[in-house]
Formats: sequence, structure tokens, C-alpha cells
Amino acid sequence: SAVISQKPSRDICQRGTSLTIQCQVDSQVTMMFWYRQQPGQSLTLIATANQGSEATYESGFVIDKFPISRPNLTFSTLTVSNMSPEDSSIYLCSAIGLVLKETQYFGPGTRLLVL
Amino acid sequence: QKEVEQDPGPLSVPEGAIVSLNCTYSNSAFQYFMWYRQYSRKGPELLMYTYSSGNKEDGRFTAQVDKSSKYISLFIRDSQPSDSATYLCAMSAGYGSARQLTFGSGTQLTVLP
Repeated sequence: SAVISQKPSRDICQRGTSLTIQCQVDSQVTMMFWYRQQPGQSLTLIATANQGSEATYESGFVIDKFPISRPNLTFSTLTVSNMSPEDSSIYLCSAIGLVLKETQYFGPGTRLLVL
Repeated sequence: QKEVEQDPGPLSVPEGAIVSLNCTYSNSAFQYFMWYRQYSRKGPELLMYTYSSGNKEDGRFTAQVDKSSKYISLFIRDSQPSDSATYLCAMSAGYGSARQLTFGSGTQLTVLP
């Protein structure tokens, strides 16, 4: 399985500011995803990070709020822009497995609290 | 109606008990079924992976898929306190854009020593 790391692991931010979360995979992967997990709830897909092109966003998520970059096959960033307390959540990146191509492996998550 | 339904619990069992966790789904296109374990303050960890209908066993864990009933289960035998976590079922229709996973809401399990 791929080993996925995220930075920062947690942060406390002020309303109106932006935070960029980094996701690094220890090997090349085909697909990377960003999820949000609100307290006590399951995972909601934000977008698919496409290498070298614009991310594909799910309904309810827009690029201006959650810009995503994926400059190569092992790295991606998610920015949470103009934050409000409603953005307080865990943000997770995942990657498609190289062996089990139909499933995903997850990073440890970034816990964000917006005051 | 959600695409994937999972009883959120919480579920509390004594050590050594057999645990049964279940999900139902509505999308007949789902072919790949997974169970993830998520410890508090950690990312989900892939526990079991099954393609189509049938059973799969790995140590104390058994995953069952019944596509005709649109019902999947995870059984944990001889449960241990270290099994205390939230268990998420997930499923997908397959390749390409269909690789997107749809998750259940998760079942919080506590195994009491």
C-alpha cells in the first residue's frame, strides 16, 4: 500500500484567512482525492486532483473556495479559502492503490478549527 | 434515501464477543466493497476488500457481500479492546470515474475489557 503523509496535522485559523494542506505519497499514483469529514460524520468527496490539469469538483464544492493543485504524480495541495467556522473539519487526501486499483488509501488527515 | 446506509451505533460489546457490522446500499452498479477502520484522530485504514458477492476471511475478520440483497457485513471474531474504532463501509462501481468511493456513515465500536 502507498504511504501518505499530510501537513499540517492540525491548525487553528482565524475567520477570513486561508490554509493550504499538503499531501505527499511515497510512490507514484494514478489518482488522488480530497475529502472532508465533519465531526461525527462520514467522508464527503470534495474533488479529484488531476495531474497537470484542473481538479474535478463534486456538487457543492467550487474551485474558488477549495483550489487544488497536483503538479506531479506524488504531490497535491488543497487550499481552504476565506475560512469560516463551518469549514472546521478533518481534511483527508487519498490515493488509488497501485495493486488494488479499485480502492483508496488515506492520509492521516488535517484537523482544522476555524475561530 | 442515502446511497449507502450504515447503523451509526454506538455499539458496545465485551471482549471476546463476535461483532457484526452491516451496510445496505441502493446502487446495483456497485461491484467493489471495502471496510475501513478509523481510530480516533487518524485517517481511515483499509481493512477488507471484496469484489462482487461472496465471503472473504482475513484472520479474525470476515467480509460478506450479498449483491442480490444489496447487503454487506463485516464480522469480527474474538473481539479485542484494540478493535475499538469507527468502521466505515465503502463501495464503488469500478474503473475510471467510477473509482469514486461512496461511504457509509460509520459505526462506532467499543470493545470492553
